[in-house]
Amino acid sequence: EVQLVESGGGLVQPGGSLRLSCAASGFTFSFYWMTWVRQAPGKGLEWVANIKPDGSETYYVDSVKGRFTISRDNAQNSLYLQMNSLRAEDTAVYYCARDTGSAMAWYWGQGTLVTVSS
Amino acid sequence: QSVLTQPPSASGTPGQRVTISCSGSSSNIGSNIVNWYQQLPGTAPKLLMYSNSQRPSGVPDRFSGSKSGTSASLAISGLQSEDEADYYCAAWDDRLKGHVFGTGTKVTVL
Repeated sequence: EVQLVESGGGLVQPGGSLRLSCAASGFTFSFYWMTWVRQAPGKGLEWVANIKPDGSETYYVDSVKGRFTISRDNAQNSLYLQMNSLRAEDTAVYYCARDTGSAMAWYWGQGTLVTVSS
Repeated sequence: QSVLTQPPSASGTPGQRVTISCSGSSSNIGSNIVNWYQQLPGTAPKLLMYSNSQRPSGVPDRFSGSKSGTSASLAISGLQSEDEADYYCAAWDDRLKGHVFGTGTKVTVL
């Protein structure tokens, strides 16, 4: 069974940093593109970033370029999102998701809440 | 960057057919596949439809998807109370070089 468990969320001040982790199990992690999606309170879904199986390619939504970095450790079956220079508008539940050849975000974690506030 | 437009709400009585539209452009829906996601209240989203019209295992066949040009649609036939949820379309955008989600549609069963 595919399992994705996010961690690392919490309260951070504007301008601060946070690193999210996603522990993957139940599949061969190194075979799949992985994705981060966020959802601000009461708002819709927003794709944040994704990363190729070997980590050689990454893509980001414009609003986080230069501030967020997606990475992975295939030996540890883990996905990460390093978030720097955080802003109030980054407040959201952040979901880790596994892609397939047919679809972005076939499997989802339960999410971790990031709150940016002073 | 919600470049895919959906109606904010849709509703129907049990057993009715409801259709949700998703309007995009040549750089996203017009040249890439569309996926649909269902988000039940208080839960993580779930993939509902992939490659425009394919259902993952376990998704009831009352859900169907289609795509034509720069628009896509999701239909729910025989609406049931458990279908009350938020629905989002998504596609890769060649110009933005990223995935984009639709604005989301809240389906209410009257």
